[in-house]
Amino acid sequence: NAGVTQTPKFQVLKTGQSMTLQCAQDMNHNSMYWYRQDPGMGLRLIYYSASEGTTDKGEVPNGYNVSRLNKREFSLRLESAAPSQTSVYFCASTRGEGAYNEQFFGPGTRLTVL
Amino acid sequence: KNEVEQSPQNLTAQEGEFITINCSYSVGISALHWLQQHPGGGIVSLFMLSSGKKKHGRLIATINIQEKHSSLHITASHPRDSAVYICAVVGGATNKLIFGTGTLLAVQP
Repeated sequence: NAGVTQTPKFQVLKTGQSMTLQCAQDMNHNSMYWYRQDPGMGLRLIYYSASEGTTDKGEVPNGYNVSRLNKREFSLRLESAAPSQTSVYFCASTRGEGAYNEQFFGPGTRLTVL
Repeated sequence: KNEVEQSPQNLTAQEGEFITINCSYSVGISALHWLQQHPGGGIVSLFMLSSGKKKHGRLIATINIQEKHSSLHITASHPRDSAVYICAVVGGATNKLIFGTGTLLAVQP
Protein backbone atom coordinates (compact mmCIF):
# COMPACT_ATOMS: atom_id res chain seq x y z
CA ASN A 1 0.00 0.00 0.00
CA ALA A 2 1.24 3.47 -0.86
CA GLY A 3 -0.63 5.09 2.05
CA VAL A 4 -1.23 8.78 1.35
CA THR A 5 0.27 10.22 -1.82
CA GLN A 6 0.52 13.86 -2.87
CA THR A 7 1.40 15.52 -6.14
CA PRO A 8 3.34 17.56 -6.96
CA LYS A 9 6.22 17.47 -4.45
CA PHE A 10 7.41 20.96 -5.38
CA GLN A 11 5.78 23.85 -7.21
CA VAL A 12 6.65 27.45 -7.95
CA LEU A 13 3.84 29.80 -8.96
CA LYS A 14 3.60 33.45 -9.83
CA THR A 15 1.13 35.64 -7.98
CA GLY A 16 -2.33 35.21 -9.49
CA GLN A 17 -1.73 31.78 -11.00
CA SER A 18 -3.94 28.87 -10.08
CA MET A 19 -3.13 25.28 -9.30
CA THR A 20 -4.55 22.14 -7.75
CA LEU A 21 -2.76 19.96 -5.21
CA GLN A 22 -3.74 16.33 -5.48
CA CYS A 23 -4.05 13.85 -2.63
CA ALA A 24 -5.04 10.19 -2.68
CA GLN A 25 -5.15 7.44 -0.05
CA ASP A 26 -5.47 3.69 -0.52
CA MET A 27 -6.39 2.74 3.05
CA ASN A 28 -10.16 3.03 2.60
CA HIS A 29 -10.22 5.89 5.11
CA ASN A 30 -13.35 7.97 5.49
CA SER A 31 -11.87 11.31 6.56
CA MET A 32 -9.28 13.43 4.84
CA TYR A 33 -7.56 16.72 5.75
CA TRP A 34 -5.45 19.48 4.24
CA TYR A 35 -2.93 21.28 6.48
CA ARG A 36 -0.34 23.94 5.91
CA GLN A 37 2.93 24.18 7.80
CA ASP A 38 4.76 27.49 8.14
CA PRO A 39 8.04 28.24 9.93
CA GLY A 40 7.57 28.85 13.65
CA MET A 41 3.93 27.75 13.55
CA GLY A 42 2.19 24.49 14.14
CA LEU A 43 0.32 22.69 11.40
CA ARG A 44 -2.95 24.47 10.66
CA LEU A 45 -6.07 22.89 9.23
CA ILE A 46 -7.26 24.39 5.94
CA TYR A 47 -10.19 22.14 5.04
CA TYR A 48 -11.34 18.66 5.90
CA SER A 49 -13.74 16.07 4.58
CA ALA A 50 -15.38 13.88 7.21
CA SER A 51 -16.71 11.50 4.57
CA GLU A 52 -17.20 11.22 0.85
CA GLY A 53 -19.43 14.03 -0.37
CA THR A 54 -18.82 16.41 2.55
CA THR A 55 -16.28 19.16 3.09
CA ASP A 56 -15.87 21.75 5.85
CA LYS A 57 -13.67 24.72 6.57
CA GLY A 58 -10.85 24.50 9.03
CA GLU A 59 -8.86 27.21 10.74
CA VAL A 60 -7.41 28.94 7.63
CA PRO A 61 -9.68 28.34 4.60
CA ASN A 62 -9.45 31.73 2.89
CA GLY A 63 -7.99 31.56 -0.61
CA TYR A 64 -8.55 27.81 -0.96
CA ASN A 65 -11.20 25.45 -2.27
CA VAL A 66 -11.41 21.68 -1.98
CA SER A 67 -13.08 18.78 -3.75
CA ARG A 68 -13.67 15.31 -2.35
CA LEU A 69 -13.70 13.61 -5.72
CA ASN A 70 -14.40 10.16 -4.32
CA LYS A 71 -13.47 8.22 -1.19
CA ARG A 72 -9.81 8.04 -2.24
CA GLU A 73 -9.10 11.54 -3.50
CA PHE A 74 -9.20 15.00 -1.90
CA SER A 75 -7.83 17.94 -3.87
CA LEU A 76 -6.92 21.46 -2.76
CA ARG A 77 -7.20 24.34 -5.23
CA LEU A 78 -5.61 27.76 -5.12
CA GLU A 79 -7.63 29.95 -7.51
CA SER A 80 -5.35 33.00 -7.41
CA ALA A 81 -2.11 32.29 -5.58
CA ALA A 82 -0.65 34.90 -3.24
CA PRO A 83 2.82 35.07 -1.63
CA SER A 84 1.15 34.45 1.75
CA GLN A 85 0.27 30.97 0.49
CA THR A 86 3.93 30.00 0.27
CA SER A 87 4.04 27.02 2.60
CA VAL A 88 4.38 23.26 2.87
CA TYR A 89 1.04 21.54 2.39
CA PHE A 90 0.23 18.18 3.93
CA CYS A 91 -2.69 15.94 3.21
CA ALA A 92 -3.74 13.43 5.87
CA SER A 93 -6.38 10.77 6.34
CA THR A 94 -8.02 8.92 9.22
CA ARG A 95 -10.23 5.87 9.36
CA GLY A 96 -12.99 7.69 11.19
CA GLU A 97 -14.10 11.26 11.65
CA GLY A 98 -12.38 13.48 14.12
CA ALA A 99 -8.99 13.40 15.68
CA TYR A 100 -9.46 10.34 17.92
CA ASN A 101 -7.99 8.30 15.11
CA GLU A 102 -4.39 7.95 14.02
CA GLN A 103 -3.58 10.44 11.30
CA PHE A 104 -1.65 9.22 8.25
CA PHE A 105 0.19 11.98 6.41
CA GLY A 106 1.31 12.38 2.84
CA PRO A 107 4.90 13.45 2.05
CA GLY A 108 3.96 17.11 1.57
CA THR A 109 4.01 19.64 -1.24
CA ARG A 110 6.41 22.57 -1.00
CA LEU A 111 4.78 25.56 -2.69
CA THR A 112 6.46 28.86 -3.40
CA VAL A 113 4.46 31.82 -4.70
CA LEU A 114 6.55 34.62 -6.17
CA LYS B 1 -0.48 32.59 23.74
CA ASN B 2 -0.57 29.31 21.81
CA GLU B 3 -3.02 26.71 23.03
CA VAL B 4 -0.29 24.06 22.79
CA GLU B 5 3.20 24.88 24.02
CA GLN B 6 6.22 22.64 23.66
CA SER B 7 9.57 22.83 25.41
CA PRO B 8 12.32 22.96 24.65
CA GLN B 9 12.10 24.33 21.11
CA ASN B 10 15.54 22.95 20.30
CA LEU B 11 17.43 20.14 21.97
CA THR B 12 20.87 18.69 21.32
CA ALA B 13 21.83 15.45 23.01
CA GLN B 14 24.67 12.97 22.92
CA GLU B 15 24.00 9.45 21.78
CA GLY B 16 22.77 7.30 24.64
CA GLU B 17 21.26 10.13 26.68
CA PHE B 18 17.74 10.05 28.12
CA ILE B 19 15.61 12.73 26.47
CA THR B 20 12.44 14.43 27.63
CA ILE B 21 10.23 16.69 25.53
CA ASN B 22 7.37 18.49 27.22
CA CYS B 23 3.94 19.59 26.02
CA SER B 24 1.53 21.84 27.91
CA TYR B 25 -1.91 22.84 26.73
CA SER B 26 -4.52 25.31 27.84
CA VAL B 27 -7.73 23.83 26.42
CA GLY B 28 -9.85 20.94 27.59
CA ILE B 29 -8.90 17.87 25.61
CA SER B 30 -9.96 14.30 25.17
CA ALA B 31 -6.78 12.96 23.60
CA LEU B 32 -3.23 13.95 22.77
CA HIS B 33 -1.02 12.88 19.87
CA TRP B 34 2.74 12.75 19.54
CA LEU B 35 4.09 12.89 16.00
CA GLN B 36 7.54 12.68 14.48
CA GLN B 37 8.61 14.73 11.46
CA HIS B 38 11.66 13.34 9.71
CA PRO B 39 14.36 15.63 8.28
CA GLY B 40 12.94 14.88 4.83
CA GLY B 41 9.59 16.29 5.92
CA GLY B 42 7.45 13.17 6.34
CA ILE B 43 5.21 13.03 9.42
CA VAL B 44 4.35 9.84 11.27
CA SER B 45 2.15 9.24 14.28
CA LEU B 46 3.95 7.92 17.37
CA PHE B 47 1.29 7.84 20.08
CA MET B 48 -2.28 8.76 20.83
CA LEU B 49 -3.18 8.81 24.50
CA SER B 50 -5.92 10.09 26.74
CA SER B 51 -4.58 8.98 30.12
CA GLY B 52 -1.63 7.34 31.78
CA LYS B 53 1.34 6.10 29.86
CA LYS B 54 2.20 4.30 26.61
CA LYS B 55 5.47 2.68 25.56
CA HIS B 56 6.73 1.67 22.14
CA GLY B 57 10.29 0.47 21.94
CA ARG B 58 12.53 3.21 23.35
CA LEU B 59 9.75 5.79 23.33
CA ILE B 60 7.48 6.48 26.29
CA ALA B 61 4.63 8.98 26.37
CA THR B 62 2.84 10.12 29.51
CA ILE B 63 -0.06 12.43 30.11
CA ASN B 64 -1.47 14.15 33.18
CA ILE B 65 -4.92 15.43 32.33
CA GLN B 66 -5.33 17.37 35.59
CA GLU B 67 -2.06 19.25 35.07
CA LYS B 68 -2.65 19.61 31.29
CA HIS B 69 0.78 18.27 30.54
CA SER B 70 2.36 15.46 28.55
CA SER B 71 5.92 14.26 28.15
CA LEU B 72 7.67 12.25 25.47
CA HIS B 73 10.73 10.35 26.66
CA ILE B 74 13.37 8.70 24.52
CA THR B 75 15.66 6.22 26.25
CA ALA B 76 19.15 5.39 24.92
CA SER B 77 18.89 8.05 22.22
CA HIS B 78 20.43 7.44 18.82
CA PRO B 79 21.29 9.76 15.91
CA ARG B 80 18.39 8.27 13.93
CA ASP B 81 16.05 9.80 16.55
CA SER B 82 17.00 13.24 15.21
CA ALA B 83 13.74 14.79 14.03
CA VAL B 84 11.07 17.30 14.96
CA TYR B 85 8.66 15.97 17.58
CA ILE B 86 5.19 17.48 17.47
CA CYS B 87 2.52 17.45 20.14
CA ALA B 88 -1.12 17.84 19.08
CA VAL B 89 -4.28 17.82 21.18
CA VAL B 90 -7.85 16.89 20.38
CA GLY B 91 -10.06 19.53 21.84
CA GLY B 92 -11.34 23.03 21.67
CA ALA B 93 -14.49 24.12 19.92
CA THR B 94 -13.80 22.33 16.64
CA ASN B 95 -12.74 18.97 18.08
CA LYS B 96 -9.92 18.92 15.56
CA LEU B 97 -6.20 18.57 16.16
CA ILE B 98 -4.42 21.63 17.54
CA PHE B 99 -0.69 21.39 16.92
CA GLY B 100 2.30 22.64 18.85
CA THR B 101 5.20 24.18 16.97
CA GLY B 102 7.45 21.19 17.53
CA THR B 103 10.74 20.38 19.24
CA LEU B 104 13.79 20.01 17.02
CA LEU B 105 15.96 17.19 18.40
CA ALA B 106 19.51 16.55 17.25
CA VAL B 107 21.29 13.50 18.66
CA GLN B 108 25.00 13.60 18.07
CA PRO B 109 27.14 10.44 17.86
